[in-house]
Amino acid sequence: GAVVSQHPSWVICKSGTSVKIECRSLDFQATTMFWYRQFPKQSLMLMATSNEGSKATYEQGVEKDKFLINHASLTLSTLTVTSAHPEDSSFYICSAPGGGLTDTQYFGPGTRLTVL
Amino acid sequence: GDSVTQMEGPVTLSEEAFLTINCTYTATGYPSLFWYVQYPGEGLQLLLKATKADDKGSNKGFEATYRKETTSFHLEKGSVQVSDSAVYFCALSFTGGGNKLTFGTGTQLKVEL
Repeated sequence: GAVVSQHPSWVICKSGTSVKIECRSLDFQATTMFWYRQFPKQSLMLMATSNEGSKATYEQGVEKDKFLINHASLTLSTLTVTSAHPEDSSFYICSAPGGGLTDTQYFGPGTRLTVL
Repeated sequence: GDSVTQMEGPVTLSEEAFLTINCTYTATGYPSLFWYVQYPGEGLQLLLKATKADDKGSNKGFEATYRKETTSFHLEKGSVQVSDSAVYFCALSFTGGGNKLTFGTGTQLKVEL
């Protein structure tokens, strides 16, 4: 099946720094990718839809200037958490639709961000 | 807006027990319904899905039937194994809506010997 990778798998950073997380579709092209945030013992919250070659679409309540999304190619989307603070510590997950008529999503393994 | 409600966990069962994880949804229209599973340390994987009323999704011994009248998509398995221990997420999406998924809160299943 389709594979989505994320890098890094975990990162620890100091408060005030920026962190970039990559999401790659390894064996298929994705014009759209989704970024989710998962809190401990809670559901995945959709943050934004990443669109190749155009601006991302952010969900209500998500700060677009804080969570910068770039979808520069058909296989790569990046999420940059700018000026990170401890409350940004979370598990960030990306996904990509399988393409064609399928409505199946393929998920990356997630990135654990800890802001000190 | 659209929402998914699933039973809180954790659910702890003995091996070979019967499993039911309840899921109900609220949506305008007729969404596709999914169960995703997250094994420890891994990403979410599609377990099964159903795209219209009365469809039954099945995989790895798990089943769920799309019930429009009760807006439900309960997950069942007749005999669970220790390897089924994971977090299970019910979700919905609309084709043409960019495939955005709306998730339930997840239910952790622990299966013991």
